[in-house]
Amino acid sequence: GQQLNQSPQSMFIQEGEDVSMNCTSSSIFNTWLWYKQDPGEGPVLLIALYKAGELTSNGRLTAQFGITRKDSFLNISASIPSDVGIYFCAGRPKSFGNEKLTFGTGTRLTIIP
Amino acid sequence: DAGITQSPRYKITETGRQVTLMCHQTWSHSYMFWYRQDLGHGLRLIYYSAAADITDKGEVPDGYVVSRSKTENFPLTLESATRSQTSVYFCASGDRRQETQYFGPGTRLLVL
Repeated sequence: GQQLNQSPQSMFIQEGEDVSMNCTSSSIFNTWLWYKQDPGEGPVLLIALYKAGELTSNGRLTAQFGITRKDSFLNISASIPSDVGIYFCAGRPKSFGNEKLTFGTGTRLTIIP
Repeated sequence: DAGITQSPRYKITETGRQVTLMCHQTWSHSYMFWYRQDLGHGLRLIYYSAAADITDKGEVPDGYVVSRSKTENFPLTLESATRSQTSVYFCASGDRRQETQYFGPGTRLLVL
């Protein structure tokens, strides 16, 4: 099945640093979602994007729906220890008439003491 | 506000046994989904349901059966468990209007 290309696969940063990650697709998407998964838990929705060019914030997190509809970006400012986890992007392809999502492979964020 | 719950959270079973994983949501979302998560594969859709009594296959449906007699419940059955079905299973629900999905805490299944 199709998967989104998410990069980087992993990040090792120091507390207080800013983080950037992105997701790209060969197909146009109508909706982009960003999730965070903590160890042993299910993914939790962080931000939902519905329009090309849309920029949405949730606290220190900011996500953007790419103008081409084929990519999305997530930024985390001033990282803190609780930001550790795996971040997934997900998109709903324009061609689908239902709610099926395509998921990225995840970006694992680690904060170095 | 319980949201979406899954049971059991952990399950160990043997090859060939039937196993049912339960999923319950309190939001009255029309859509419900079952995913499995494996290292190297990310989240893969097994089955989904657009409403009660309406189900459809996802990316990896073989060896699984679902039903949805009530809007709030969406059980997943492994008819004859195999070792390759060892995985973490997530249930999700979604509101079509919001175009989002909300995940349960997961069931960790080990097939010996």
